[in-house]
Amino acid sequence: DSGVTQTPKHLITATGQRVTLRCSPRSGDLSVYWYQQSLDQGLQFLIQYYNGEERAKGNILERFSAQQFPDLHSELNLSSLELGDSALYFCASSVTGTQGGEQYFGPGTRLTVT
Amino acid sequence: AQSVTQLGSHVSVSEGALVLLRCNYSSSVPPYLFWYVQYPNQGLQLLLKYTTGATLVKGINGFEAEFKKSETSFHLTKPSAHMSDAAEYFCAVSDRVKTSYDKVIFGPGTSLSVIP
Repeated sequence: DSGVTQTPKHLITATGQRVTLRCSPRSGDLSVYWYQQSLDQGLQFLIQYYNGEERAKGNILERFSAQQFPDLHSELNLSSLELGDSALYFCASSVTGTQGGEQYFGPGTRLTVT
Repeated sequence: AQSVTQLGSHVSVSEGALVLLRCNYSSSVPPYLFWYVQYPNQGLQLLLKYTTGATLVKGINGFEAEFKKSETSFHLTKPSAHMSDAAEYFCAVSDRVKTSYDKVIFGPGTSLSVIP
């Protein structure tokens, strides 16, 4: 158990809908990362937050957004969902978010868009 | 741009045989290097990492990796495979150039099968 929790574990929704994925980092970790894992794209970095502020953006679509709250939990919002958004979404956390640091991954949320 | 390649999307070994998973990176400045493992239906877990110092790094579960600057490689090995080693293995890198963030680039992954 990494100490990172993600809810829900599974999510099935229809195209065009909006969903929110939730992540609670390890106690004491200030940095949260979101990743998307799919068979054709592999593991893609989406976005990083550090202590409530956006720090880095990766391959995140404009239909996706995220935030980190004062209690350090984070939410990833996916809107206008398309079939191609079906994937595993991972959250990871680290103490400082500085280079070379270890990231601790949650168990993931499996999103299926029908 | 930084990239990571893993030779072989799928590797099969017999139980008790040597495990060798290959990873090469692209940057001229050696990055921070990581190996993560993903068991079925689970998140990724760090096996080991190289930041500085000794080029042979020991990790959990009997795995080790050697950083070779001349070959821009960070191959993962284990002397004797166990059935429980069957999983997906990801090599990852993070630039040493100082920035305000820590972006980790993951390789495509290698699926390891262990044959009894």
